[in-house]
Amino acid sequence: DAKTTQPNSMESNEEEPVHLPCNHSTISGTDYIHWYRQLPSQGPEYVIHGLTSNVNNRMASLAIAEDRKSSTLILHRATLRDAAVYYCILRDSGATNKLIFGTGTLLAVQP
Amino acid sequence: KAGVTQTPRYLIKTRGQQVTLSCSPISGHRSVSWYQQTPGQGLQFLFEYFSETQRNKGNFPGRFSGRQFSNSRSEMNVSTLELGDSALYLCASSLRPRPAGGFSYEQYFGPGTRLTVT
Repeated sequence: DAKTTQPNSMESNEEEPVHLPCNHSTISGTDYIHWYRQLPSQGPEYVIHGLTSNVNNRMASLAIAEDRKSSTLILHRATLRDAAVYYCILRDSGATNKLIFGTGTLLAVQP
Repeated sequence: KAGVTQTPRYLIKTRGQQVTLSCSPISGHRSVSWYQQTPGQGLQFLFEYFSETQRNKGNFPGRFSGRQFSNSRSEMNVSTLELGDSALYLCASSLRPRPAGGFSYEQYFGPGTRLTVT
């Protein structure tokens, strides 16, 4: 299974943009890049996913490098409610919903 | 639309006992997966069910088992509990399994069941 590498922690100020990096140098051609986040005392929550092109949704944007070996989750204006652990995940290959979680990035948002 | 529900939310058991945890997926979702979360090992995949069939299993001992019912509700069972089984057990539902090489469906997680083994 392909693996991802993320910084253990990051800090941001409220209402500023946040760029959360992820390296996935062993990604294969059919691997989708998924981001989930886990707020304190809650289960993980889907944020966004993409394959090759950059993606936007109401929560965030996902910028994928041209060689697909890295990606960046962008929160355009961080709020205190965005403080969470953010997981960058490559879906397990094959016909399965199995998610392989790494250690994620703990994002702290300062008021 | 109601989210994924898990019962009970908290549970305390003694070593050697067994436990059954329940998960009700979002209405219309037919795929259910289970994960164990501990401070030391993080989030680890347990198993995945679709149409009452186990499709995938993680690297856990046979004491961990599960099943899915015709209404897509799922249960997981842990027998002969050990102290190391203390964890947050999370259930996730999605419409159906991802086809090989195909589009990935979003997964929706429940709040989890916090199991403490003493």
